[in-house]
Amino acid sequence: EAQVTQNPRYLITVTGKKLTVTCSQNMNHEYMSWYRQDPGLGLRQIYYSMNVEVTDKGDVPEGYKVSRKEKRNFPLILESPSPNQTSLYFCASSLSSGTLEAFFGQGTRLTVV
Amino acid sequence: GIQVEQSPPDLILQEGANSTLRCNFSDSVNNLQWFHQNPWGQLINLFYIPSGTKQNGRLSATTVATERYSLLYISSSQTTDSGVYFCAVEPSNSGYALNFGKGTSLLVTP
Repeated sequence: EAQVTQNPRYLITVTGKKLTVTCSQNMNHEYMSWYRQDPGLGLRQIYYSMNVEVTDKGDVPEGYKVSRKEKRNFPLILESPSPNQTSLYFCASSLSSGTLEAFFGQGTRLTVV
Repeated sequence: GIQVEQSPPDLILQEGANSTLRCNFSDSVNNLQWFHQNPWGQLINLFYIPSGTKQNGRLSATTVATERYSLLYISSSQTTDSGVYFCAVEPSNSGYALNFGKGTSLLVTP
């Protein structure tokens, strides 16, 4: 089954403790991205990747890192999480940017205390 | 940046009723998608529809790109249709991100 898989689905952590949210897609998509969803602010893009080793900032990249060493994986790294990064996170992928359907992972609910 | 406006913001329907959700956008787009966010927070793809009309069961969508709007029709609504419906667009002149509207929150009552 074609899908985008995020892990974990739920995470509660403490301020400053490094964490990684994994994202993997099995559709051989070139384009992957991360979004966060917050009440009143909607969904906003954090980072995106056009292909392996090609990443760029979205609208809200501060406090996040990404890497794209393999086509199928696009992990989101929070080196020193803070409470304002408490949010619902989504990973998305599409065959390429701009013209083709995007598919979203199940979401990761992160709480930073 | 591009503006994406959805209406109505909230909608309450009785089971079996029909509804139309609207999405207006302020600039030309390469990509337009409709999503349903269920009560568990998952974003479910409904339609990829940068132009034209598509149907999938009780749901259908129409996008008139030249007039910069899209409509999502839900017929014979069911309680499982409850949730938030999002329209998302990718502008033609500045790609790489889907820009989401604020959504329409739908509650279908028995």
